[in-house]
Amino acid sequence: NAGVTQTPKFQVLKTGQSMTLQCAQDMNHEYMSWYRQDPGMGLRLIHYSVGAGITDQGEVPNGYNVSRSTTEDFPLRLLSAAPSQTSVYFCASRPLYRVTEAFFGQGTRLTVV
Amino acid sequence: GIQVEQSPPDLILQEGANSTLRCNFSDSVNNLQWFHQNPWGQLINLFYIPSGTKQNGRLSATTVATERYSLLYISSSQTTDSGVYFCAPQGNAGGTSYGKLTFGQGTILTVHP
Repeated sequence: NAGVTQTPKFQVLKTGQSMTLQCAQDMNHEYMSWYRQDPGMGLRLIHYSVGAGITDQGEVPNGYNVSRSTTEDFPLRLLSAAPSQTSVYFCASRPLYRVTEAFFGQGTRLTVV
Repeated sequence: GIQVEQSPPDLILQEGANSTLRCNFSDSVNNLQWFHQNPWGQLINLFYIPSGTKQNGRLSATTVATERYSLLYISSSQTTDSGVYFCAPQGNAGGTSYGKLTFGQGTILTVHP
């Protein structure tokens, strides 16, 4: 049981480049979300999804796009990377209709130069 | 949204000492999780504790939902306990964001040998 898997673990981008951070879970969870963590801060919600075809914005959505075509996958896209998007990104999943713990991936450390 | 305040922001201990970390939150919650972020950045689930007390080895947690706080106790601390401890209350699943986790800013714990 892999849980929540994020790829890549590390990435360096140049300003203006685009990329997709991958997130996959094998627990059949309806709810998936992306967070970013900046130095000295807690995690902040970027986008979330409550099922295939349904996504919505969190606290800090600007500069990011998401889609949810399957229950398992929830990719995060940076269309034109900016230095302000240098951060550590975490993906999480949990069941939607049962109150239980959320499971987090190992994180992706992104640097935009 | 829910406001989360963790204290103390920093804590330095000698190995073997005990400590209590506190998490105050501003609204009623369905769930609350405690995480340990190790020096490699990995988020580790410690407790899922919407109310009551749970224990896991040297760690225990208590949430008093009616008074809107949670406590994490670390006994006989070890150097491997070093890292950042986050609490993350989860709001009402019937509200907006389907009960997102809101993270505090964390307590940085350093345990010296």
